Amino acid sequence: GAVVSQHPSWVICKSGTSVKIECRSLDFQATTMFWYRQFPKKSLMLMATSNEGSKATYEQGVEKDKFLINHASLTLSTLTVTSAHPEDSSFYICSAVLSGDGTQYFGPGTRLLVL
Amino acid sequence: AQSVTQPDIHITVSEGASLELRCNYSYGATPYLFWYVQSPGQGLQLLLKYFSGDTLVQGIKGFEAEFKRSQSSFNLRKPSVHWSDAAEYFCAVGNWMDSSYKLIFGSGTRLLVRP
Repeated sequence: GAVVSQHPSWVICKSGTSVKIECRSLDFQATTMFWYRQFPKKSLMLMATSNEGSKATYEQGVEKDKFLINHASLTLSTLTVTSAHPEDSSFYICSAVLSGDGTQYFGPGTRLLVL
Repeated sequence: AQSVTQPDIHITVSEGASLELRCNYSYGATPYLFWYVQSPGQGLQLLLKYFSGDTLVQGIKGFEAEFKRSQSSFNLRKPSVHWSDAAEYFCAVGNWMDSSYKLIFGSGTRLLVRP
């Protein structure tokens, strides 16, 4: 139980294009999902909190106009990297909160490479 | 401010040997504590968690952790390591901040297993 999927698992795009990453909770409903970014050999950096039916809450220093988050249903949150640049290349991981005890379950991650 | 410290960047053990990964936290109240494991290029898998009650927590894959309030520690242990345990291990503390439940991660400990 508590399975979270991400799609795509990896993506390569040209600089200036936009990329959408999906995060789905497959066997549970999640009113809250989180988006993280992980640099090579580093820990996870929280980017934003995604709440179903409301605007996302971004961490300090994260550009909300660049990293658009939509949480339209209880099982799906999307992260769109707009006008991507090479410095946006990273490993993006989402998590979904299992209500009741607040445990976060993580997706497998999406590796983004911007050329 | 809340923080999590994993003092060992990497640890090497022989297969079959015992393992202890250290984690210290700084948190005002009783924390929610977690250990996650990450294999290369993958998301995070929950090993175990502590919310309250018995301070010795059993997890998956033969791992256990002990919450010691007096030492502000939540060390992860395994009596006999398998080669498949080689991965990155993250300790995290969860708490409510800004009206949402967030995880604060340690910097991680990379486990290498000698055959």
